[in-house]
Amino acid sequence: GNSVTQMEGPVTLSEEAFLTINCTYTATGYPSLFWYVQYPGEGLQLLLKATKADDKGSNKGFEATYRKETTSFHLEKGSVQVSDSAVYFCALYQGGKLIFGQGTELSVKP
Amino acid sequence: SAVISQKPSRDICQRGTSLTIQCQVDSQVTMMFWYRQQPGQSLTLIATANQGSEATYESGFVIDKFPISRPNLTFSTLTVSNMSPEDSSIYLCSVAGLAGGPSYEQYFGPGTRLTVT
Repeated sequence: GNSVTQMEGPVTLSEEAFLTINCTYTATGYPSLFWYVQYPGEGLQLLLKATKADDKGSNKGFEATYRKETTSFHLEKGSVQVSDSAVYFCALYQGGKLIFGQGTELSVKP
Repeated sequence: SAVISQKPSRDICQRGTSLTIQCQVDSQVTMMFWYRQQPGQSLTLIATANQGSEATYESGFVIDKFPISRPNLTFSTLTVSNMSPEDSSIYLCSVAGLAGGPSYEQYFGPGTRLTVT
């Protein structure tokens, strides 16, 4: 069946460091792909999306590229801030359902 | 996007009781969903709330345990029945199809944190 696998956390970085959170998926066809972010004590927020192969989603300095050949959608940011500390979820949409990865906790230290 | 509110934001309940969670959206939406997020885990879809008809439940979730109502295009409720400590989770409402937008873009409420003692 469809599934999403993310790198395990927690990930701890210093401010201004480069961030990569790996995400790979298993699905039939070409699902839409998403990154959601959950700040402490809040609900999930849509961070960015890509709906077809080679699309690049971007928002708030975060980027992710839909790679069909490697079935990946890795999240990147060039310079993280303390305010980026949150849990990040990769997800795919197919058959009318969102399927989430297990989430990766990011902690950014000043 | 839309403003999605949930009530209550948190509750502590005794085993054997039931709790009804409300989800209100400030605009009409095509689709509403209920998810469960167990401690330290990802989100699991419980069911799709269908307006004017019975909800569509995912494998492992049944109507007797999680009855859902959706009387109109802006409101839904999820009841967690005959609770046990294993039901302690965050319950999240989400919506899609805002202003005719795509069904794959879902927006989430702030969640209801339930603790069962």
